[in-house]
Amino acid sequence: DIVVTQSPESLAVSLGERATINCKSSQSVLLGSTNKDYLAWYQQKPGQPPRLLIFWASTRAPGVPDRFSGSGSGTDFTLTITSLQAEDVAVYYCQEYYNVPFTFGPGTKVHL
Amino acid sequence: QVELVESGGGVVRPGGSLRLSCETSGFTFSRFAMHWVRQAPGKGLEWVAVTSFDGSNTYYADSVQGRFAISRDNSKNILYLQMNSVRAEDTAVYYCARYDSPPAGSRGLDSWGQGTLVTVSS
Repeated sequence: DIVVTQSPESLAVSLGERATINCKSSQSVLLGSTNKDYLAWYQQKPGQPPRLLIFWASTRAPGVPDRFSGSGSGTDFTLTITSLQAEDVAVYYCQEYYNVPFTFGPGTKVHL
Repeated sequence: QVELVESGGGVVRPGGSLRLSCETSGFTFSRFAMHWVRQAPGKGLEWVAVTSFDGSNTYYADSVQGRFAISRDNSKNILYLQMNSVRAEDTAVYYCARYDSPPAGSRGLDSWGQGTLVTVSS
């Protein structure tokens, strides 16, 4: 099974500042047949289900503000929130969907 | 719009059984693989199971293999999770989620229900 790790566990960011979250998979999630990384990022606010933010490591899901961006390929990925807004306070998870089980990272709590 | 509504959660004794349902609307259910994901209180997300669009293929997390069964009724647009021999560690909010997998490449779990709480306790 692919192991997915995230860092940091928790991140304090001031309003308007940048937040950077790292995600690492134990093996490559780049699918050769599509040349796409099967890595997604989700946002979860308290009492709510997760929301898909990014798929293919760097493509924003519909309706996601452009202050959210994903980067990386293979085994190392980053979620960046430029100019943090109050509504961005949440836990962020990465997930590989290259192979079952579709493992989630442990999450990163972003707070003010 | 896409809607997924879970039901069937509740309190169940260790060793008991429970069936969760996920009623869907707003999309062609029979064209999408569907997943169950759970979240223990105060913990992170744990992937549980997946069924292919037609139910012919299913996969499970090791933690539930042999005890849980995912299934679907494409005539009713409903996803199920049969939970048998439940344990205290199965206590969690259970979410159903749609897996978007167009020909260009899978896009992850793009729609989620609000979840249903399962509590395993004597």
